[in-house]
This record gives sequence, C-alpha cells and structure tokens, in this order.
Amino acid sequence: GESVGLHLPTLSVQEGDNSIINCAYSNSASDYFIWYKQESGKGPQFIIDIRSNMDKRQGQRVTVLLNKTVKHLSLQIAATQPGDSAVYFCAENRRPNDYKLSFGAGTTVTVRA
Amino acid sequence: ETGVTQSPTHLIKTRGQQVTLRCSSQSGHNTVSWYQQALGQGPQFIFQYYREEENGRGNFPPRFSGLQFPNYSSELNVNALELDDSALYLCASSECDRADTEAFFGQGTRLTVV
Repeated sequence: GESVGLHLPTLSVQEGDNSIINCAYSNSASDYFIWYKQESGKGPQFIIDIRSNMDKRQGQRVTVLLNKTVKHLSLQIAATQPGDSAVYFCAENRRPNDYKLSFGAGTTVTVRA
Repeated sequence: ETGVTQSPTHLIKTRGQQVTLRCSSQSGHNTVSWYQQALGQGPQFIFQYYREEENGRGNFPPRFSGLQFPNYSSELNVNALELDDSALYLCASSECDRADTEAFFGQGTRLTVV
C-alpha cells in the first residue's frame, strides 16, 4: 500500500555542519506532513510541519522542503548540535488536525564531536 | 514534558494474556490516537478516539480495542497477546476541533510478550 519512507536509515554528521534528511511519499492525497524527532526512551517530538499548498517552511534552525512533483520531503537542520542526535521520522496525514499519521521507518542521526 | 502521560512504562505479559494500557491526554485535548512502534520501525496507527467514539482505525485486528472516557483519557486493550505484539505503544493527544494545533506524544509503554 501507499506509505511514507525515508531514503537512508542512518546519517552521520560533524557538529556544526548542516544535516539533510530525506523522505519520499507515495500517497498523492496527502495534504499535511510533519517531521518528528525521537530520542531514546521518549515519544516522538514535533519539529515542524508543512501543508501541501506550501513548498518551504522555516523554523528555528530547521527548514522543511516539499516537492509535490516528485513526492519528496526533506528536513534541513542548520549548525547541527550534539543534542540533535536522535531518530527522525517524517509522517503524512490526509489533512491537518486529523492526526491519523502514517510514519516512515526513520533516519538515525549521529552527531560527531 | 508534553502533559501526556502513559502507564505503565514497562510491562511483561505471557502469550495469550490480556493487557490494558492507559493514557491521560493533555488538558484541553479531546482526541487520543494510539500507535504501535516495533523496534527499529516507525509508529503504526492503531486507532483514534474523538469525544469518546472511535474515529478511524488502522490495519489492526479486533483483539486491539479501546475506550475513551468523559475526561478524554483513554485505554488500549489487547486480547490474546502474541509475541509480535511486543512493541512500544504510544498515545498522542490532540485537539481536532481547532485549526493549526499539533499532537503531543506520551513517553510510551514498552510491552514485552514472552
């Protein structure tokens, strides 16, 4: 069936560098996308979201890009810090506030000192 | 802290037994969604409760059932436990009547079936 998936299961990045995490989705009806961060022993934590009528959204040190033509989503983290080490998930939803989310398998980000 | 609490944090059950997991939603939130997260995987949607009624269900068998109470807290019940039910069970609370809100996840309950 249709699902959300991430391109790479792991990413190692030098502290201070920028990180880019990619995600491909196949459900053309998806209207809303969210990036979550999950640290060991914790539940997913909201990072940033984007609706399908946008192609870019910025937060504090994070930017999400949405390319609907190729059904691709990315999360960019600027000046990666040790505290950014975690598993990152993209999730898709049919509409905002619905929260019946479909998650990808996740990318484990490790920040090297 | 998100204000969403789950209990217990860890649980060990035997195959064939039944289990009840609990979730207290964030104050002001009327919707609770439950997810199952197997080791190394992303969370999978089980079902959602909105104002005490089931409001959507994922691809899980009927032995997974739930309740939502008038204070919007929720329970997840799993009957006839199988080894593959071992996972982290997450609940997320949200306010589906308002625009531009987000869901907050609890810490999860780690269920091990032996």
